[in-house]
Amino acid sequence: GAGVSQSPSNKVTEKGKDVELRCDPISGHTALYWYRQRLGQGLEFLIYFQGNSAPDKSGLPSDRFSAERTGGSVSTLTIQRTQQEDSAVYLCASSLYYEQYFGPGTRLTVT
Amino acid sequence: GQQVMQIPQYQHVQEGEDFTTYCNSSTTLSNIQWYKQRPGGHPVFLIQLVKSGEVKKQKRLTFQFGEAKKNSSLHITATQTTDVGTYFCAGRQTGGFKTIFGAGTRLFVKA
Repeated sequence: GAGVSQSPSNKVTEKGKDVELRCDPISGHTALYWYRQRLGQGLEFLIYFQGNSAPDKSGLPSDRFSAERTGGSVSTLTIQRTQQEDSAVYLCASSLYYEQYFGPGTRLTVT
Repeated sequence: GQQVMQIPQYQHVQEGEDFTTYCNSSTTLSNIQWYKQRPGGHPVFLIQLVKSGEVKKQKRLTFQFGEAKKNSSLHITATQTTDVGTYFCAGRQTGGFKTIFGAGTRLFVKA
């Protein structure tokens, strides 16, 4: 079956612009995670959605970051007024029980 | 907040040598997962450990969960060039769903 997909695969934006990153999880997976991975670094937790429960936003680094998940499926991560330190790969993962299935990521470059 | 420390950061081995990476949490974990990320790829789930003192094996890989459920290790016997990549542990805090990833250990294998 189809895995987790993310779009765009690459995004180059100018400092100060807003960007939207999209994640399509595996159908039926109730949990969805967003992570940020800077070059050569580990995975930094951003936000977690589980079913209809309130999301765990404790990892969002600033109020410029927000995410939503519509209809318990597709999720969008929005970064407003992008800064150069936002440059990273943004990974989305979905899960039904415990194993997380990761998408290919969106590489964001802020110039 | 919960922290998951992983050492070493890098490991260079000759093909055929063994390799071990260690993971330590500041809090008791309900479970720990291990993922592998190949260069340029996304993390792929390897295994989950749940029980105190649990040991699981996958071919040349041996995973352990500490008695106190605060530490874990991954041991690879007789490394091969296909083992190259970054190995991440990821811990889930008791009573929650958020998963915190360690910084990863990057394994280099010289043929």
